[in-house]
Amino acid sequence: EVQLVESGGGLVQPGRSLKLSCAASGFTFSNYYMAWVRQAPTKGLEWVASITNSGGSTYYRDSVKGRFTISRDNAKSTLYLQMDSLRSEDTATYYCTRGFPPGDYWGQGVMVTVSS
Amino acid sequence: DIVMTQSPSSLAVSAGETVTINCKSSQSLFGSVRQKNYLAWYQQKPGQSPKLLIYLASTRESGVPDRFIGSGSGTDFTLTISSVQAEDLANYYCQQYYDTPWTFGGGTKLELK
Repeated sequence: EVQLVESGGGLVQPGRSLKLSCAASGFTFSNYYMAWVRQAPTKGLEWVASITNSGGSTYYRDSVKGRFTISRDNAKSTLYLQMDSLRSEDTATYYCTRGFPPGDYWGQGVMVTVSS
Repeated sequence: DIVMTQSPSSLAVSAGETVTINCKSSQSLFGSVRQKNYLAWYQQKPGQSPKLLIYLASTRESGVPDRFIGSGSGTDFTLTISSVQAEDLANYYCQQYYDTPWTFGGGTKLELK
């Protein structure tokens, strides 16, 4: 059974950092592109970042470029999102998703709240 | 960026009815190499993560009931749900993956009367 389990969320002050993790199981992690998609409270979905299966290429939306870093450890079947210089507008539930686009499996999401 | 516009934003229907959700992209999503439209539909039930329903505009994901039908090409796409059931109460999103940044429509909230 494919499982994606996010962790690392929480309340953080503006300008600070947070690192999200997504532990994958039930499939060969190194065969799949992975991505992070977020959803602000009561809002729609927004793609954040993607990474190729080898980790050799990464892609970001403009609003997080230079602040967020997506990475992966294929030996540990884990996806990461390092978030620096956080802003209030980064407040959202962050989902990791397999194969995106399109994402055929999604984690349950982890909440990140940026507030003083 | 490719802008995805969904309509309507909300829809109230009775069980058993057929509903249509529209999605329009600001540029064509048709890829000439693979001759495919790079458009997906997701369902998100309250308190849950999104679930992939349709990809390449009309290919149903494994396990998705055949009452969910995706159609369209170019810039105009439709998700049809025939004989709506109570379990279909959810938000529905279209998403283009023709070009980065991958973008979603604003969503359509399906409510039952």
